[in-house]
Amino acid sequence: DVKVTQSSRYLVKRTGEKVFLECVQDMDHENMFWYRQDPGLGLRLIYFSYDVKMKEKGDIPEGYSVSREKKERFSLILESASTNQTSMYLCASGVGVLGGTQYFGPGTRLLVL
Amino acid sequence: GNSVTQMEGPVTLSEEAFLTINCTYTATGYPSLFWYVQYPGEGLQLLLKATKADDKGSNKGFEATYRKETTSFHLEKGSVQVSDSAVYFCALPDPLISGGYNKLIFGAGTRLAVHP
Repeated sequence: DVKVTQSSRYLVKRTGEKVFLECVQDMDHENMFWYRQDPGLGLRLIYFSYDVKMKEKGDIPEGYSVSREKKERFSLILESASTNQTSMYLCASGVGVLGGTQYFGPGTRLLVL
Repeated sequence: GNSVTQMEGPVTLSEEAFLTINCTYTATGYPSLFWYVQYPGEGLQLLLKATKADDKGSNKGFEATYRKETTSFHLEKGSVQVSDSAVYFCALPDPLISGGYNKLIFGAGTRLAVHP
């Protein structure tokens, strides 16, 4: 079974802090994704990566950056956390360029005070 | 670009009732279509998918048929259980602007609550 793990299930941070969310997948997938999930808005793509050291902006990249130094690991960075970044963050991985199946981690619920 | 619309919830049913969650889409061509499920406190899991028109995806008693005539991919189950209580997302690919790489577009989600 594909396994996607996220470093934390719950995080509480203060405004202005730098926040790192890490995601690791064990299936050698080329593509990895970061989404945020908010009530009434569904899932919105923040960034994705189709190869090591490659990244592409999604729909809502402002206030976020990413890092992919190794194929299995994809990090989401909040450079200076703000209260409007309080959300559920979901990482996913997958193969192929034609919208193939994505496999999701359990999510990190982030609260920014 | 492509888009997906699914019925708003919540949907509240008694155990063993019939379930339909509507999903319609707009797309260029005939992309694959997906249903994902999110159980409480968990990430999304692929429930089923269909890769071409008239295909029927099925899993765990759930079914959805890819209808190009009505641009729909409605999710159905003949007899729901309490354990089916979750949020269900319809999804399809949408080409990204750069690099030609596709992403998945998700509907807003439909919450299902099944009572004994």
